[in-house]
Order: sequence, then C-alpha cells, then structure tokens
Amino acid sequence: DAKTTQPNSMESNEEEPVHLPCNHSTISGTDYIHWYRQLPSQGPEYVIHGLTSNVNNRMASLAIAEDRKSSTLILHRATLRDAAVYYCILWRSKLIFGQGTELSVKP
Amino acid sequence: GAVVSQHPSWVICKSGTSVKIECRSLDFQATTMFWYRQFPKQSLMLMATSNEGSKATYEQGVEKDKFLINHASLTLSTLTVTSAHPEDSSFYICSARGQGVSPLHFGNGTRLTVT
Repeated sequence: DAKTTQPNSMESNEEEPVHLPCNHSTISGTDYIHWYRQLPSQGPEYVIHGLTSNVNNRMASLAIAEDRKSSTLILHRATLRDAAVYYCILWRSKLIFGQGTELSVKP
Repeated sequence: GAVVSQHPSWVICKSGTSVKIECRSLDFQATTMFWYRQFPKQSLMLMATSNEGSKATYEQGVEKDKFLINHASLTLSTLTVTSAHPEDSSFYICSARGQGVSPLHFGNGTRLTVT
C-alpha cells in the first residue's frame, strides 16, 4: 500500500490560512491524492482530491508538487469547525488511512 | 452532495449475539462499498471491500466468518458481526463509491458495545 507521511499535529489561529503538508514519495502515476477529515465520533468527510494539477473547491485547495511526491492541503481561513484529523491518502483501488494530522484551531 | 446513511448509530449487545449494521447510499449507486473499524485514538482500519453482487474481499487478519458482508444491491451493504465478544466493541464505519474516480463518501459510523 502506498504510504503517506503527515505531521502528527498542527495548530492554527482562527481566520488564518492553514497549510497541511503530506509526503508521498512512493506515489505512482495513476494514484490520486485524496484528503479527508474526521471530527470526533463521526465518519470521515471528503475534502478534496487531485491527480497532477492543483485543485480548488468550496472547502479547500490542493497544491500538488510537480514531481507529485508531496502535496499541501490549504484551508484559506480556518474556523473552529475546521478542527479535525486530516488524512492524506493515495487512492489505489481502496483507501488505507494513516495516522493523519490533528489540527487544532485557536480562537 | 452524495449521502451515505448508516444504521444504527449505536448498539449495545450481549456477548455471543450477532449484530447487523446497514449502509445505504441514498442518492447514488454505489458500485463499491468499504467497511472500516476504528478503535479509540486510532486511525480507521479497512476491514473489507465489497462490490455489488460479488463476494467481499477481506483485508489480512480480518475473519470473514465473523464479519459477514453482503452487498446485494447498488444502494445497500450490510455488515453482520457474528457471535460478538467484548473485543469486537469498536466504531464501525462504512463508505461507498460511485463510478469512475469519484471520492468515497462515508456513513456516520456505528458505535458497537458488546457487554
């Protein structure tokens, strides 16, 4: 299974941008990069995904390195509701979750 | 957006009994469904992958006779925990995927407590 590496935890201030990094040096050409987040006692929520080009949606932006060995999830203005565990996962016919990054947001 | 409904949200059962958890895709056809288990303070662990109309593929270490998965239609998959024991107490989460490169959509999980 393709492995991703994320920091265990990050902290941000409310209304400031947050950049969540992910390394995936063993990515293959057909692996999509997916991001999900999970609040306590809930199922994960889809955030964004991409293959090669940067992607934007109403929740976040995904910046993918040119060599695709790393990516960054960008939350443009963090809110208290964005506090969650964020998972960066390579789709290879299934999603294997790593430990993710626990994001805390300070008011 | 795509909605996956999971039922029940919580269940308490006695040791030795079986429990069935349902997972429905409400507004799309789920060609593939996945079942995960999550223990406190840990990440999600994939248990099995099921495609409509065929047998589920279980991950290594997951007992297929204990965790029965049925995916009889494009909108419904069920997980039955047979002869449940206290160590089966966990948070079970299903997810569903439509066609192509669409993302996974997750249910809100079922908290199983075996006494």
